[in-house]
Amino acid sequence: EAGVTQFPSHSVIEKGQTVTLRCDPISGHDNLYWYRRVMGKEIKFLLHFVKESKQDESGMPNNRFLAERTGGTYSTLKVQPAELEDSGVYFCASSQVAGAQADTQYFGPGTRLTVL
Amino acid sequence: AQSVTQLGSHVSVSEGALVLLRCNYSSSVPPYLFWYVQYPNQGLQLLLKYTSAATLVKGINGFEAEFKKSETSFHLTKPSAHMSDAAEYFCAVSSLGGSARQLTFGSGTQLTVLP
Repeated sequence: EAGVTQFPSHSVIEKGQTVTLRCDPISGHDNLYWYRRVMGKEIKFLLHFVKESKQDESGMPNNRFLAERTGGTYSTLKVQPAELEDSGVYFCASSQVAGAQADTQYFGPGTRLTVL
Repeated sequence: AQSVTQLGSHVSVSEGALVLLRCNYSSSVPPYLFWYVQYPNQGLQLLLKYTSAATLVKGINGFEAEFKKSETSFHLTKPSAHMSDAAEYFCAVSSLGGSARQLTFGSGTQLTVLP
């Protein structure tokens, strides 16, 4: 079974540009989460989808960040326009809604974003 | 509100020595607790989890952790370190468990294993 995949693995952009990150969850996982780790800090929650609906977006830093999950499959996280402080590693995780492993989130390898 | 404190951002042990990584949590409701590991250039991998069953939890690669409610701790241990254990370790808490709870992470502990 394929794990959570994220694309791209690395992205280097200039301040003011737009970047879109993609996450493909494990097949059948209706829960999808985005997290971010800024250099030297802890991993912080950004938002949570259940299927295509945003369940909790309390961690989104500001309105320059837009997350979508059309059709309840893969998700995208767009940063527009990017600022220097957006640099970090963006992780995606997925989990089942019910079942024995519903409390376990499986993480992707992350996208390292560098804003110059 | 919930929080996690990992004591020691860097821990070094000799190969074959005991590994002890400390984690203390704060939660207003019964917590679910997790340890994740991140090897270089890889994603986060679940080591083990506590979900209100046995307080001593065994995970992969010989790691285990003990939930101590009175001390609000969930320290990670391994009797004998191996070179391949060198990685960053994260403790995380989720309130009430279930499938719809965000994880709150500690700041991570980088484990170095010396030959």
